Amino acid sequence: EVQLVQSGAEVKKPGESLKISCKGSGYDFTTYWIGWVRQMSGKGLELMGIIYPRDSDTRYSPSFQGQVTISVDKSIRTAYLQWSSLKASDTAMYFCVRHNSGYINNWYPYWGQGTLVTVSS
Amino acid sequence: EIVLTQSPGTLSLSPGERATLSCRASQSVSTNYLAWYQQKPGQAPRLLIYGASNRATGIPDRFSGSGSGTDFTLTISRLEPEDFAVYYCQQYGSSPITFGQGTRLEIK
Repeated sequence: EVQLVQSGAEVKKPGESLKISCKGSGYDFTTYWIGWVRQMSGKGLELMGIIYPRDSDTRYSPSFQGQVTISVDKSIRTAYLQWSSLKASDTAMYFCVRHNSGYINNWYPYWGQGTLVTVSS
Repeated sequence: EIVLTQSPGTLSLSPGERATLSCRASQSVSTNYLAWYQQKPGQAPRLLIYGASNRATGIPDRFSGSGSGTDFTLTISRLEPEDFAVYYCQQYGSSPITFGQGTRLEIK
């Protein structure tokens, strides 16, 4: 069974750094793109970027380029989403997703449970 | 970037009725690479439809997708109580992948 298990909720102050994680299991971790999707409170879904674990090829959506860093450690089957300096506007739920196949243009049958990030002074 | 516009914003219907949700793209969606997701409060989205008209594994046949080019539709033939949720379309034919803003399906 394919599973994506995300790290727990975080409460941070503006300016702090943060790295959240998504651990995949039940499939060949290296051959499927993994993405991160942001959902601000009461709002819609936004793809932030994707990463291919086999070679760490990473693509960012224009709105998120330079704002976050996506990385992966394939030895422990885990993808990461990282901020170097959080802002209040980063407060949101973050989901990791797995592509249906190894193609870069794909739909998302598998979702993590979400990680709620709250940034407040 | 392809902008997806969903309508209506909110749809109020009763169980047993038919629901028709629209998703319009700002430019043609390549190879009908269009998916639909359902999201209930406090849950992750669930894939319903991919390739504009293919039901995902385990999705009841009351859900159907249609359309091509710039106009797509999700139809729920006969609403069950568990179908009241928010629905999103997604295009994955062009980078960046984008989602519509969602349609809230509420009980009348």
